[in-house]
Amino acid sequence: DAGVTQSPTHLIKTRGQHVTLRCSPISGHKSVSWYQQVLGQGPQFIFQYYEKEERGRGNFPDRFSARQFPNYSSELNVNALLLGDSALYLCASSLDRNSPLHFGNGTRLTVT
Amino acid sequence: EDQVTQSPEALRLQEGESSSLNCSYTVSGLRGLFWYRQDPGKGPEFLFTLYSAGEEKEKERLKATLTKKESFLHITAPKPEDSATYLCAVQGSGNAGNMLTFGGGTRLMVKP
Repeated sequence: DAGVTQSPTHLIKTRGQHVTLRCSPISGHKSVSWYQQVLGQGPQFIFQYYEKEERGRGNFPDRFSARQFPNYSSELNVNALLLGDSALYLCASSLDRNSPLHFGNGTRLTVT
Repeated sequence: EDQVTQSPEALRLQEGESSSLNCSYTVSGLRGLFWYRQDPGKGPEFLFTLYSAGEEKEKERLKATLTKKESFLHITAPKPEDSATYLCAVQGSGNAGNMLTFGGGTRLMVKP
């Protein structure tokens, strides 16, 4: 079975630009979560969506937004990029709120 | 606010030299404690979930244990392929959905 897939794998953007990251969950998984991982640190929670509704939001500014589509895939959008947004963005899927998260390999975003 | 602290930050072992990684946590109502393995440039790979104090889980050379304040990941007779960053995370009842709070990780290097 295919795992969580994310695209693109790498991305370079300039300060002030906008970026969209995409995620396809494991087949049958209805919950998608997004995490930001800065180099040398553990992942930090950004959003969770379940059945296309936002179920949780971490301590991130309104420049960060996300949505989940009817096929359970998801997009993370970041506006007005800052240098500090450079990180590995991880998507994870799970069957439901009581199941372990399974992560994709992430999108490496570099903001210059 | 849930908090997770992992120690040591980095650990170097000789092949066959057993050791333990520590994960200390504070959480309002533990719903689960998770261990993940992360290789460079990859997303975290799920290893174990522990739900209550006294619980233990094993997988090959790894054994995870849980108390009310800590979890340990014991590595018995490690091999070079066990080299990775090991992440600990908690899921608390005070958080929406299945949000995880991660520690900073322990970078393990096993030398042949």
